[in-house]
Parts: sequence; C-alpha cells; structure tokens
Amino acid sequence: AQSVAQPEDQVNVAEGNPLTVKCTYSVSGNPYLFWYVQYPNRGLQFLLKYITGDNLVKGSYGFEAEFNKSQTSFHLKKPSALVSDSALYFCAVRDMNYGGSQGNLIFGKGTKLSVKP
Amino acid sequence: DAEITQSPRHKITETGRQVTLACHQTWNHNNMFWYRQDLGHGLRLIHYSYGVQDTNKGEVSDGYSVSRSNTEDLPLTLESAASSQTSVYFCASSELRGTGDTQYFGPGTRLTVL
Repeated sequence: AQSVAQPEDQVNVAEGNPLTVKCTYSVSGNPYLFWYVQYPNRGLQFLLKYITGDNLVKGSYGFEAEFNKSQTSFHLKKPSALVSDSALYFCAVRDMNYGGSQGNLIFGKGTKLSVKP
Repeated sequence: DAEITQSPRHKITETGRQVTLACHQTWNHNNMFWYRQDLGHGLRLIHYSYGVQDTNKGEVSDGYSVSRSNTEDLPLTLESAASSQTSVYFCASSELRGTGDTQYFGPGTRLTVL
C-alpha cells in the first residue's frame, strides 16, 4: 500500500536557523511527491513537487526539498527560517490506486512548524 | 484571477439533516476532489471527478455523494449528517496533465454536526 509518513508532529526552530521537516514515503513504482503548507484557517497552498530529474527541488517562499530514493525520503528544508513560516506542513504522494496518473494525493498527518523570534 | 471557492465557510447542522457543501472553481480544470481534514489523519479523499458527469468514490466515501453537471462545480452532499462527519472539508482542482499535476485547494468549510 502506498503511504507517506511525517514522523514529527511539531518542529520548533529559532528564527534565522535552518529548518527541516521530515517526510518518508512508501510506493510501488516511481514516486510523485508534493509539499503543501496550511496557514491557520486557510486552505492548503502548494509549495513544490518532485516528479523526476534533480533530487533537489526548489519551491515557493525559499523552500526546497531533497528527494532521496535510497532512504525513501523527501525532506523539506529552508536555510533560514522566518517567524512567518510558522504553519502546518503536509507531505503528499500521488495515489496510483485512486485515479492513477490523474489522481488523487495521499497526505501525511502534517507537521506543525513553530518559528520563534 | 482564477480561483476556487467554497461555501459556506462555516456550517452547523443537526444529526440526520441533509447538507450540501458547494465548491466552485474558475480554473477550468477537469479534475476536482473533495477531502476531509481531521486531527491525526491529515487529509483523506472523499470523492473525485475527472470531468462532467464523471464521479468516483475515494477512501472515505460512505455517507457522502457528489454530482458534476458542469466543469466549474462539484457540490458535496451529506445525505444524513452524522456527528462523525464533523470535520473541515476541502475542495481541490487540477488540470488534466498527468502524474505531475498540482492540485489547488479552496479555503475549506468547517462543518459541525450536533
């Protein structure tokens, strides 16, 4: 079964420090991986995705993610955290069981990022 | 600008009532999705549609239905609301491009069933 795991419920970082939000996945075949961010009382906003090509993917708001096939991971990173980065972050993988290539996403449970001044 | 909207943003209803949540997108996307978000579960797929007159069940479809009569709208109906359906509901849409396609989400509807 395909799945995605976010092992940390919460990550605390000081402003200006680098941040990492972890994600691991389990899929059969090639993984199609996504990161979304959710601010309070808002919908999910797309940050970045990995389909193929370079293992380091750059996205919105200075975020990037590193795809590691051997470790089945897709960790989200940012070199210098901002207080405004505080939000809920979701990792997702394309669900090839529901909808195949057009289909749906399987989401992790989310990681709350808290950046303190 | 193109967008995806949901209404109402907040709804309180009683057990057993029929409830319909609206989702409207102006992206002209073929694909539309409904998810529910619950603490500790992330987002789970309820129903999805690849185009007009097409609807499909997702992971947690029991007690829900959808219909797609045009490209822009995918209303979600709770036939007989239950307390277990108290949740935040998100609609999403995507263009037909394949495995790399990005889903864009609406602002959500918070539903409380008393």
